[in-house]
Amino acid sequence: AQKVTQAQTEISVVEKEDVTLDCVYETRDTTYYLFWYKQPPSGELVFLIRRNSFDEQNEISGRYSWNFQKSTSSFNFTITASQVVDSAVYFCALSGPNQGGKLIFGQGTELSVKP
Amino acid sequence: DTGVSQDPRHKITKRGQNVTFRCDPISEHNRLYWYRQTLGQGPEFLTYFQNEAQLEKSRLLSDRFSAERPKGSFSTLEIQRTEQGDSAMYLCASSPGTSIEQYFGPGTRLTVT
Repeated sequence: AQKVTQAQTEISVVEKEDVTLDCVYETRDTTYYLFWYKQPPSGELVFLIRRNSFDEQNEISGRYSWNFQKSTSSFNFTITASQVVDSAVYFCALSGPNQGGKLIFGQGTELSVKP
Repeated sequence: DTGVSQDPRHKITKRGQNVTFRCDPISEHNRLYWYRQTLGQGPEFLTYFQNEAQLEKSRLLSDRFSAERPKGSFSTLEIQRTEQGDSAMYLCASSPGTSIEQYFGPGTRLTVT
């Protein structure tokens, strides 16, 4: 069975603080894909990143960075120097190779960045 | 606007009524997905299409739910005899098939009274 766990339900930080959102996944597939999506108050899910299971290289995109570790089945997301506009619910998701691309989502972490 | 669009954005209906939602995917995306999201939860997969073929349905999709994509472009999701438990956000997403990233629409929020 596939499962994604985001243990942090809510996080509150002050602007300019760094914050890490945790994601732990379970799968029996040897090939799989991990994703992060952002859901701002408007409700529309915004794609942030995809990582393939065979590529453990960490990635940085501006203030965003992702740390993928197969040994601990984790795919954590760090926002550096957070801003108020980063306030949203963030979802980690998993997809297997023979599932038509359907996504298994975690429960989400609600990030609140206060000025 | 070339993103995924959904109509209506909000729907309030009385229990027992039928409702239909529409999703227009990004042009030339051959895969289309439906998800349901309840308050405080992540989206849950309902069904997906590759072109006009419905390839998978979740156990969440009871007999009261039906989805179509007749010409491989837009899709409709119909709920018959709505129940209060059907109240949720219904999300549509599409992907090009050459990659697996899914792009989501704004959702249809259904409230069953």
